[in-house]
Amino acid sequence: KAGVTQTPRYLIKTRGQQVTLSCSPISGHRSVSWYQQTPGQGLQFLFEYFSETQRNKGNFPGRFSGRQFSNSRSEMNVSTLELGDSALYLCASSLAGQGEQYFGPGTRLTVT
Amino acid sequence: DQQVKQNSPSLSVQEGRISILNCDYTNSMFDYFLWYKKYPAEGPTFLISISSIKDKNEDGRFTVFLNKSAKHLSLHIVPSQPGDSAVYFCAASDHGSGNTGKLIFGQGTTLQVKP
Repeated sequence: KAGVTQTPRYLIKTRGQQVTLSCSPISGHRSVSWYQQTPGQGLQFLFEYFSETQRNKGNFPGRFSGRQFSNSRSEMNVSTLELGDSALYLCASSLAGQGEQYFGPGTRLTVT
Repeated sequence: DQQVKQNSPSLSVQEGRISILNCDYTNSMFDYFLWYKKYPAEGPTFLISISSIKDKNEDGRFTVFLNKSAKHLSLHIVPSQPGDSAVYFCAASDHGSGNTGKLIFGQGTTLQVKP
């Protein structure tokens, strides 16, 4: 089975711009979770999608949003980028949101 | 509020010896615990997990121990190999509370296995 894939792998954006990141889960997995990793805060949960619905959300501002498509692929969007949004964004998939999650390689976002 | 803590930022062991990585948690609602390994520029790789109804789970060289009364878990790697050198993250979830898809991670411990 193919693993979780994320595109793009690297991205450089300017403050104030918006960005969309994409995640394709493992075939058959219906839950996709997104995480932000920074040196200061570690790995933090952003949100989780299941059957095209956001089921759970972390403590991030409304500039961070996401969606899931009928084939379980997911996108996350960050609007009005700030310097502090520079991070590694990871998505993880699981069968139904419980148990083990399997991570993609991440998208490294740099905001200048 | 750090609900999952890995108090040792780094650990160095000799090849062939045992590596013991520790993790403490504060939320008694956590019902599932996982260990991940992470190399630079890659996503975390799932290693092993344990449900709160068990106190031990073993998979090859990896064993996870859970002490619920102490709110403590540990990962034992025996024997340690140079390829095990990576950052290890402890994670926890409280799916029983409806927090689906949400893992709470510790800050990580960097393991170095010397040949």
